[in-house]
Amino acid sequence: QVLLQESGPGLVKPSETLSLTCTVSGGSINSFYWSWVRQPPGMGLEWIGYVYYSGSTNYNPSLKSRVTISVATSKNQFSLKLTSVTAADTALYYCARHKSDSSGYAFDYWGQGTLVTVSA
Amino acid sequence: EIVLTQSPATLSLSPGERATLSCRASQSASNYLTWYQQKVGQPPRLLIYDTSKRATGIPARFSGSGSETDFTLTISSLEPEDFAIYYCQQRGKWPLFPITFGQGTRLEIK
Repeated sequence: QVLLQESGPGLVKPSETLSLTCTVSGGSINSFYWSWVRQPPGMGLEWIGYVYYSGSTNYNPSLKSRVTISVATSKNQFSLKLTSVTAADTALYYCARHKSDSSGYAFDYWGQGTLVTVSA
Repeated sequence: EIVLTQSPATLSLSPGERATLSCRASQSASNYLTWYQQKVGQPPRLLIYDTSKRATGIPARFSGSGSETDFTLTISSLEPEDFAIYYCQQRGKWPLFPITFGQGTRLEIK
């Protein structure tokens, strides 16, 4: 059973950088695409971007200028950095795995999510 | 980007009834439409991928159909545990993407 666990600060000050890590257990990070998805309280889902195990990335154009996603295969982890945060970045942040046999990049495993609040 | 519009926003039905949820894309999403179920306090759960393929462990009462811009999730006979929020998702067009989600349909007990 593949498990994903997000970790990182739950409170970030405006204009600072949000940093989260997703640790994958029960399976290898190799040969998969891995994404970050966020959900503001009471609202819908927004894809942030993905990283392939090789290190290649693709980001949501709406966030691209502020986002970096990286992978550490030796640790079975991948990470998110979001710079210059504002209150609009307050959300539940999920890490998720893309299903390998889905042409639609479906997400088959998700972490439980971590709430990040942007506030002074 | 491809905008996904789900309807209705809220669907009120009783257990045993048939539920039909719609997801319309602003441009062709080919056959790469995905459906998720989300309950309060939980991450989304994969139900249907590539328009009509049921994910592992998903009951046969869930089915997906459609193509290009119009897609449907059908729950043939609602069980009490099916009342939740449902999201559709598409992958976007290579290489620019982005992956986008619909705004969700809340399926509530009547």
